Amino acid sequence: GAVVSQHPSWVICKSGTSVKIECRSLDFQATTMFWYRQFPKQSLMLMATSNEGSKATYEQGVEKDKFLINHASLTLSTLTVTSAHPEDSSFYICSVTGLAGYNEQFFGPGTRLTVL
Amino acid sequence: GENVEQHPSTLSVQEGDSAVIKCTYSDSASNYFPWYKQELGKRPQLIIDIRSNVGEKKDQRIAVTLNKTAKHFSLHITETQPEDSAVYFCAASSGTDKLIFGTGTRLQVFP
Repeated sequence: GAVVSQHPSWVICKSGTSVKIECRSLDFQATTMFWYRQFPKQSLMLMATSNEGSKATYEQGVEKDKFLINHASLTLSTLTVTSAHPEDSSFYICSVTGLAGYNEQFFGPGTRLTVL
Repeated sequence: GENVEQHPSTLSVQEGDSAVIKCTYSDSASNYFPWYKQELGKRPQLIIDIRSNVGEKKDQRIAVTLNKTAKHFSLHITETQPEDSAVYFCAASSGTDKLIFGTGTRLQVFP
């Protein structure tokens, strides 16, 4: 399967600042990446679908102006949490989908964001 | 949109016993059903998946069954071992590549 990395693995920031999380597909050109958020002891909630060269598709209830997604190349998607607040503290995980039509997703190691 | 329910939320078994986790989905167009294992603080790892043209799939101690008519699928782990302890998530996809996850099952295997 695809090898996916994320950076940073963890970050602590002050309330009101912005944080950028990178997701890289190391051995596969990914036209589509997904961003999930996972609160403690909860499931993965899909936030948005990141499409290379076009705008991201956000799930209902996810603020696109707060969670900025950029997918400028086939190997890199970034998620920027703008004006972060303590309630944004969570585990953010990206995934890469494999060959079109095969549905398999390969996950990054996740980024733990703590907003003070 | 798709909705996936998962039961039970927690499951405790003795080492060597079997464990069964069940999921139901709502979108009849869903055609791909993976199962993920997630250890604390780690990424979800795909352990087995099944597509809608197959009723059952097995990989060593792990098997998945799918009932399209009833819109439910199940994960079966036989001869459980302590290292099987983790949170397991089912998911469903309707061909858009988007995965909708179940709520998770915390499995504890006691030696």
